Amino acid sequence: SYVLTQPPSVSVAPGKTARITCGGNNIGRRSVHWYQQKPGQAPVLVIYYDSDRPSGIPERFSGSNSANTATLTVSRVEAGDEADYYCEVWDSSNDRVFGGGTKLTVL
Amino acid sequence: EVQLVQSRAEVKKPGESLKISCKGSGYSTSYWIGWVRQMPGKGLEWMGTIYPGDSDVRYSPSFEGQVTISGDESIYNSYLQWTSLKASDTGMYYCARLGGTGIPPRGPIDYWGQGTLVSVSS
Repeated sequence: SYVLTQPPSVSVAPGKTARITCGGNNIGRRSVHWYQQKPGQAPVLVIYYDSDRPSGIPERFSGSNSANTATLTVSRVEAGDEADYYCEVWDSSNDRVFGGGTKLTVL
Repeated sequence: EVQLVQSRAEVKKPGESLKISCKGSGYSTSYWIGWVRQMPGKGLEWMGTIYPGDSDVRYSPSFEGQVTISGDESIYNSYLQWTSLKASDTGMYYCARLGGTGIPPRGPIDYWGQGTLVSVSS
C-alpha cells in the first residue's frame, strides 16, 4: 500500500515560515490535500489539490507538490497556527491514505 | 450551511455491539461519506466510505471485516457498526464528506463531523 511520510514535529518562531513535508513515491503524480487539527477539534481542510486554498483559509497557507515530496508552507506563522497537520492522497488500493501527521510548534 | 452531526460518546465493554451515526444537512444531493479513526494520541486512519444514495460501500483493507458501514433510506445518514468491540477499538471516530469526482471521489474531505468518542473497557 502507498505510504506517506511526514516529520513528527516542526518548530518555528512567530513571524517566520514553516514548511511541512509529505514524502511518497512519485507523489508529484497525485493530488495532495492538507488538514489542520487543533487539540480537541475535528480536522479542517487547509489546502486541496496540491495548492488550492478553501475560502476562509488565510493566504499565509500555501502548498506545492513535485517529484517525491509535497510541501505545506505556512508564512508569517502565528500562535494560532499551532496544530497537527496531515497530508492525504487518494490510493487505488486503500481508497485514501493519510500521512502520520506533523505537530507544528510555535516557539 | 453544511453540517455533519454525529451521535454522542459511548462507553462500552469488550464484546458488546455498537452502532454510531452521522447525519448530514445543508446540502441537497447525495455525497460520499467516509469514516476516519483516530486512536488516542495518534494520527488519522481511513476506514472506508459509503454513497448513501445507493449504499455502495468501500472499505480500507485494514478495516474490512472489522466494522460495517451502512446507510438507510435517507441520503443524509451514515452509520458505523461493530458486532463485538475490543479495547483496541477505543478512539475518536469522525465521519467526513468527500468532494471531487470519481466513484468513490478523489477530492478532498471538505466537511467533517464533530467526532464520536468510543471507549471500550472492562
